[in-house]
Amino acid sequence: TQLLEQSPQFLSIQEGENLTVYCNSSSVFSSLQWYRQEPGEGPVLLVTVVTGGEVKKLKRLTFQFGDARKDSSLHITAAQPGDTGLYLCAGPSGGGADGLTFGKGTHLIIQP
Amino acid sequence: GAVVSQHPSWVICKSGTSVKIECRSLDFQATTMFWYRQFPKQSLMLMATSNEGSKATYEQGVEKDKFLINHASLTLSTLTVTSAHPEDSSFYICSAREGGTRETQYFGPGTRLLVL
Repeated sequence: TQLLEQSPQFLSIQEGENLTVYCNSSSVFSSLQWYRQEPGEGPVLLVTVVTGGEVKKLKRLTFQFGDARKDSSLHITAAQPGDTGLYLCAGPSGGGADGLTFGKGTHLIIQP
Repeated sequence: GAVVSQHPSWVICKSGTSVKIECRSLDFQATTMFWYRQFPKQSLMLMATSNEGSKATYEQGVEKDKFLINHASLTLSTLTVTSAHPEDSSFYICSAREGGTRETQYFGPGTRLLVL
């Protein structure tokens, strides 16, 4: 199973600030996905990146896949309280396993 | 978008009893379904992969005789926690995929299990 390290684990910032969350691995991934999870609910897919160097934007969220496909980042511009949640990166487990390997997640709190 | 439901959304049971959790794909046929477990403040951990009509594939450390998985149709997979113990208390989440490995997994809303 390939491992994904996320940082920071916890982040609390003021509304309007910018932030970046990182997802790193020593392994190459064919694709990486970012999810957002609210307490007591299942994760909701935000984006899938598949090409090294790829950048995708979703309103104030910018996702980047590293050139070597070993890392990814999520940048949020002008964070709002509604962005509060658990952000998870995930990729194919590899090694014959068919499911997803998840990072430990970043707990993000945006204070008004 | 594709919708996956789970039932029940939460369940409380006594130690030693069995609990069945259902996962349904509502608007697509799921050739593969996955079961994950998430403990408080932690991430999702894959428990098993379930293909319709065949035996589930369990991840290392997951007891197949304790967590029985049945994928009897292309829209339904069930997870039965047998002889549940308090340490089995967790948030169980399923996901479903319509096609091959490049297809998106859609997650259910999760089932909160509390074993007393």
